[in-house]
Amino acid sequence: DQQVKQNSPSLSVQEGRISILNCDYTNSMFDYFLWYKKYPAEGPTFLISISSIKDKNEDGRFTVFLNKSAKHLSLHIVPSQPGDSAVYFCAASSGYSGGGADGLTFGKGTHLIIQP
Amino acid sequence: EPEVTQTPSHQVTQMGQEVILRCVPISNHLYFYWYRQILGQKVEFLVSFYNNEISEKSEIFDDQFSVERPDGSNFTLKIRSTKLEDSAMYFCASSRQGFDEQYFGPGTRLTVT
Repeated sequence: DQQVKQNSPSLSVQEGRISILNCDYTNSMFDYFLWYKKYPAEGPTFLISISSIKDKNEDGRFTVFLNKSAKHLSLHIVPSQPGDSAVYFCAASSGYSGGGADGLTFGKGTHLIIQP
Repeated sequence: EPEVTQTPSHQVTQMGQEVILRCVPISNHLYFYWYRQILGQKVEFLVSFYNNEISEKSEIFDDQFSVERPDGSNFTLKIRSTKLEDSAMYFCASSRQGFDEQYFGPGTRLTVT
């Protein structure tokens, strides 16, 4: 039961260009979405989040867009840098409105490769 | 910058043995979590903990698992009788609030032989 789907296992982008990573979800109860970056043998590193009351959140080079009607979110990285090469995970929870300690549901991840 | 720490980084144990994985969450965080990632699979939620009790748990978190906050800084995951399928990376995470971003530790690789 894939409630959070990242359909692209990998993505290759040239340095300096925009990287766009996509994520779809099926559970209408999800109201809080996060992106994490992960290097091999390390834990996921938080990048950016968005609640369902917004459709865009920006932090430096990272912007997350949320389309609730399509149950789709995307992460834009501009400009892409070599250090951005990693696996990116989309995660979701239904805890925002309830305030409880809900666990995150993760996608399978997209391996982003930034080419010089 | 404060971070979540986990010990040990790698634990090898025999099937049927008990293991305790340890975590030190970020000091001003109030919510604590355990996740696992079996090789090649997704990161999966196990359990969340707040105010000295379990807040939510997944189907994976059966009677073989337990969590504890034995003192003001540590948060532990115990597996009573390990099985081969418990082999995975186990990640601890913490957050200030229940709906806040969760910060993950580096993980403990558990290998059950």
